[in-house]
Amino acid sequence: QQQVKQSPQSLIVQKGGISIINCAYENTAFDYFPWYQQFPGKGPALLIAIRPDVSEKKEGRFTISFNKSAKQFSLHIMDSQPGDSATYFCAATVRGGTSYGKLTFGQGTILTVHP
Amino acid sequence: ETGVTQTPRHLVMGMTNKKSLKCEQHLGHNAMYWYKQSAKKPLELMFVYSLEERVENNSVPSRFSPECPNSSHLFLHLHTLQPEDSALYLCASSQGGGHGYTFGSGTRLTVV
Repeated sequence: QQQVKQSPQSLIVQKGGISIINCAYENTAFDYFPWYQQFPGKGPALLIAIRPDVSEKKEGRFTISFNKSAKQFSLHIMDSQPGDSATYFCAATVRGGTSYGKLTFGQGTILTVHP
Repeated sequence: ETGVTQTPRHLVMGMTNKKSLKCEQHLGHNAMYWYKQSAKKPLELMFVYSLEERVENNSVPSRFSPECPNSSHLFLHLHTLQPEDSALYLCASSQGGGHGYTFGSGTRLTVV
């Protein structure tokens, strides 16, 4: 019940294309869904996050779409650039009313954007 | 220094060695975490400290021993590790229930 399933494992996109990564979860108690971006040799860095009371959040070229009834959320990267090539992780946690957060991560997606 | 700093960046140790990983956060957060990142596996939460008290220990073998002397520092003491313990060990911190969750760059550990 704590798992977050992420797909695809790897994704190759041409420059200017749209990259789409999907995640699904089971635990309905999750109330915060962040996406992390990780470059080689670096730790994951928060990219964008959403709460389940909204269906979409956009920050620049990055958009999260959230479907509460289906327990799914996805990351869309518009106009993908070679600099977006990285590993992307979705995550979920119960944030409300807790003194600490336990992130449950998806397996990760290796995105390669060709010039 | 800003954010979350981890040292060393790389560590090679024999199975009989004892070593320690260090993490320092400069964000004023009150919770700190150790995660293990292995190839082709999700990040695994190992330990959680909230207000310097260990609140989570996710079935981690006793050869890994965490220490949190204050809210800014976190250590992971290693002894008699196995080759399968080779991985990237990430430290993170947050304020309360996941606010501002920030990772360090990790320590790449190789056990030979």
